Amino acid sequence: DTEVTQTPKHLVMGMTNKKSLKCEQHMGHRAMYWYKQKAKKPPELMFVYSYEKLSINESVPSRFSPECPNSSLLNLHLHALQPEDSALYLCASSQGRSAGAKNIQYFGAGTRLSVL
Amino acid sequence: EDKVVQSPLSLVVHEGDTVTLNCSYEVTNFRSLLWYKQEKKAPTFLFMLTSSGIEKKSGRLSSILDKKELFSILNITATQTGDSAVYLCAVEAGLSGGSNYKLTFGKGTLLTVNP
Repeated sequence: DTEVTQTPKHLVMGMTNKKSLKCEQHMGHRAMYWYKQKAKKPPELMFVYSYEKLSINESVPSRFSPECPNSSLLNLHLHALQPEDSALYLCASSQGRSAGAKNIQYFGAGTRLSVL
Repeated sequence: EDKVVQSPLSLVVHEGDTVTLNCSYEVTNFRSLLWYKQEKKAPTFLFMLTSSGIEKKSGRLSSILDKKELFSILNITATQTGDSAVYLCAVEAGLSGGSNYKLTFGKGTLLTVNP
């Protein structure tokens, strides 16, 4: 089983709203990732958590706030977003450091976010 | 800055044709190269390549890596309409000064297989 579950599938929010995206995996993976994907573009890395600690932040604006409550869950808290933040947000997970060079990332189906 | 370049960017073929998709890269601290297929939403994993010259195969799909020339190819034989998708190449490489690695994606090849 290589399933990564993301909720919600679709989200529409206003620029003053606060919302959260959720991601869950039960593969025992210790690394989890958030990516942003605009139409007809490849995924762009936002954040990496390794063993529940934030290890990479790709200079993402503070209106995006990640959280990793435990090894199976990853959240992305959204506040005061801009229309240009509308995109598909993908979560991924992988074994992490213990996999060495065989660190395959498995992706969820994504949350399609529209900011009005 | 790490770079991954895919070609062609789009390709239209007829069912039964064989296609070859290309991926070249320039990264420091290379660890692996991965191929994904993306239809509507989630990229789905196809292959991971870490060693030169060893072909990975799954049904009609195969891939090989050349670490000396810094490229990989993905072959699809006897294409079917269900192969229509964006094929993404990604390279995992280490970040300078630490033990972190990240995936850098190419722009993808949009493959359309017509009946």
